[in-house]
Formats: sequence, C-alpha cells, structure tokens
Amino acid sequence: DTGVSQDPRHKITKRGQNVTFRCDPISEHNRLYWYRQTLGQGPEFLTYFQNEAQLEKSRLLSDRFSAERPKGSFSTLEIQRTEQGDSAMYLCASSLVGGPYGYTFGSGTRLTVV
Amino acid sequence: AQKITQTQPGMFVQEKEAVTLDCTYDTSDPSYGLFWYKQPSSGEMIFLIYQGSYDQQNATEGRYSLNFQKARKSANLVISASQLGDSAMYFCAMREATQGGSEKLVFGKGTKLTVNP
Repeated sequence: DTGVSQDPRHKITKRGQNVTFRCDPISEHNRLYWYRQTLGQGPEFLTYFQNEAQLEKSRLLSDRFSAERPKGSFSTLEIQRTEQGDSAMYLCASSLVGGPYGYTFGSGTRLTVV
Repeated sequence: AQKITQTQPGMFVQEKEAVTLDCTYDTSDPSYGLFWYKQPSSGEMIFLIYQGSYDQQNATEGRYSLNFQKARKSANLVISASQLGDSAMYFCAMREATQGGSEKLVFGKGTKLTVNP
C-alpha cells in the first residue's frame, strides 16, 4: 500500500469559486479524518468518517463545506463559494478501528484563495 | 483553554547533539494517548512516537524517546544524535474522545527545529 493519497497537492482559486479535494486512504483503514491547518498553527479537526458514515463534524465546518465518503473508500471535501479565509492546508488521515494507534496522514492539499 | 501547549516556537541544535522539544497537555480523562508528528516543508505529517496514559515505561522509537511525566502532564520529545534531515516542524498531539463517541487528535502549535551543521 502506498499510504494516504491526496489530490491535488496545490490549488489556487478565485474567491467565490467551488473547489473539491480528494483523499484515498489506506485501503484497509475504515476511519477517515479531514483536518485543516492554517499558517503557524497545528492541524484542526474538521470531520470524521467510519466507513461511509460521517459521524462527527466540527463547528469549523460551515455550511459551505461538505464531505462525502461513498462506499467507505475515497473521500471528497468540497468548499463552495470560497473565501480568502479558506486558504489553508487540508490534510486527510486514516486509521483502523482496533488497529495500531497511529493515524496515517496524506501530504495535504494546499488551497490558496485569491 | 489550550489542551496541548508547545512553548518553543523555534529551537536550534547542532548536528549530532540531542534536543528536547517540550509539550504539556491538559485533560481530565484518565485514558488518553499522546503523539508526536514531524512535518517537513513538503507538508505531510509523519508519525514519530506514541505514549499511552497507562503505559508504565517511556516510549522509544530509534532516535526518538518520549519523556512522559504524568503528574506534571508533560510529554517531551527527545531526539538524540540530531541529523540535518531532522529540520522540520514538530507537533505534539493528544487523542481525545468526541461528543459523538469517536475520537480525534488535538494538536499544539508546533515547534520549528533547525539542525545546524
């Protein structure tokens, strides 16, 4: 397995446009997390899936954000009507329920809203 | 209130020397887990080491060791024999339960380590 993959690595978009990011977790991992990391800060939790069910959403996840994980495999994170404050690194992580304690992170998608 | 505090925004160390990165945490849960991650400039979060709250011994992984002082609520990372490739951001994180019955990681603000030749 090649680990957690995120696509694209970088995205520059104009304010008001919609963007979508993809995360492919480690295939046997049933938990998937999205985090957001702004400059000079540690990652902050956004949302969590166990298999295809979205079980937890942070208050950081406004109505403009939506995440899906169809069939419990890859996940997408969509931001509608982007704002400059959405500029950040979006990190995906996966783990296995009952498995080792580690969370495996992807390389992230760096979003710049201009 | 911050749950994970990393008081050192930046640290410098000479190659081959040891360095300690500080981390204090705040929780009332008797069962918790503490993690250290390395984030190079490329962006990925690389897992380094884990300490469970009930673990009797301090965790070690190669050149990394965790100085776990439960009563003081500190979990400092010690890197021995620093290498140039150790230059990166280092994040301390705590696993905590969520209201929905799952779990998440809560991160500190990080420490930027620079290893000088």
